[in-house]
Amino acid sequence: EAGVTQFPSHSVIEKGQTVTLRCDPISGHDNLYWYRRVMGKEIKFLLHFVKESKQDESGMPNNRFLAERTGGTYSTLKVQPAELEDSGVYFCASSLTGTANTGELFFGEGSRLTVL
Amino acid sequence: GENVEQHPSTLSVQEGDSAVIKCTYSDSASNYFPWYKQELGKRPQLIIDIRSNVGEKKDQRIAVTLNKTAKHFSLHITETQPEDSAVYFCAATRGAGRRALTFGSGTRLQVQP
Repeated sequence: EAGVTQFPSHSVIEKGQTVTLRCDPISGHDNLYWYRRVMGKEIKFLLHFVKESKQDESGMPNNRFLAERTGGTYSTLKVQPAELEDSGVYFCASSLTGTANTGELFFGEGSRLTVL
Repeated sequence: GENVEQHPSTLSVQEGDSAVIKCTYSDSASNYFPWYKQELGKRPQLIIDIRSNVGEKKDQRIAVTLNKTAKHFSLHITETQPEDSAVYFCAATRGAGRRALTFGSGTRLQVQP
């Protein structure tokens, strides 16, 4: 079974440009989370989808970040315009819902964003 | 909201020694405490978790202890091996599977052969 996949693995852009990150969760996982890790710090929560609905977006830093999950399958996270402080590794994670959910998150390998 | 503090940030041990990583949390309603291991260049993976109805859980060489009164939990790795070298993250939440995890800042463990 395929795990959580993220694309691109690494993106280098200049300040002011736009970047879109994509996450494909494990098939059948209704929960989808975006997290970000800035170098040496915690893995910080950004937002949580249940199917196509935003369950919790309290971690989104500002309106330069836009996440979508149309159709409840893959998700995209767009940063526009990118700033230097947006650099970091963006992780996507998915999990089951309901009684099958043990609490375990299945992570992707992350998308490393470097803003110059 | 929840706040998780993790210490130490780096830890170096000799192969065969034990390693202990400690975390504290702020939300007394948190009831689920997982630990994730991230090897270099790989994705974080769950290695062990504990729920608030137990004080200790063990799985081979790893164990986790929870002190709800003090609001802290710890990861214990015995008989460390070079393949234990990785970054370890603790986390906490009040709703396993329903709410987001709050992670600590990570501990880089280096096991010297």
